[in-house]
Amino acid sequence: GEQVEQLPSSLIVQEGASVLINCSYTDSASVYFPWYKQEPGKRLQFIIDIRSNMERKQTQRLTLLFDKKTKHLSLHITATQPGDSAIYFCSASNRYNQGKLIFGQGTKLSIKP
Amino acid sequence: EAAVTQSPRNKVAVTGGKVTLSCNQTNNHNNMYWYRQDTGHGLRLIHYSYGAGSTEKGDIPDGYKASRPSQENFSLILELATPSQTSVYFCASGDAEEQYFGPGTRLTVL
Repeated sequence: GEQVEQLPSSLIVQEGASVLINCSYTDSASVYFPWYKQEPGKRLQFIIDIRSNMERKQTQRLTLLFDKKTKHLSLHITATQPGDSAIYFCSASNRYNQGKLIFGQGTKLSIKP
Repeated sequence: EAAVTQSPRNKVAVTGGKVTLSCNQTNNHNNMYWYRQDTGHGLRLIHYSYGAGSTEKGDIPDGYKASRPSQENFSLILELATPSQTSVYFCASGDAEEQYFGPGTRLTVL
């Protein structure tokens, strides 16, 4: 079945720096890739998504890049703030599984003030 | 915004006991999901439902049952709890697009 891998598993950066979180998937039928953020002790919240017919999507300080050929996504966060400290999850769903999401292991981001 | 609530928020159970985790959503979503979250595994799908009366097995259904008696409510049932089921459980509702998550239930099985 589909597998979603994220790297790195954790990273620590200084406030104001940019970060890159990588995600890869295995199922060529995957067409939709939402990302979620989980702040400490909180529920997961949707932050950005992309479809397989797109290459790039940007919202505020988040840029999501998608390469269908290599089955790879990368989430770029610029001008990081303490509130960005969280676990970030990549996920994937395909046109056949009616909303089922397969999640990566998560990337724990810590921002040093 | 969709409202998804879970109860209880924390639960300590004994091995072999029965545990029921409840989830309620007020946004009239057809689909509901139960996940467990463990370090190094992300979220893994246990059971899901397409509507009242329907339940489907997810990726790790063994040891769990699910019940969807109404559009709003979706329960996860551990008939014979084991220590390996110690985890944080999240319920979600939604569709093929965005899923809305509950606050989670921390379950400890001793």
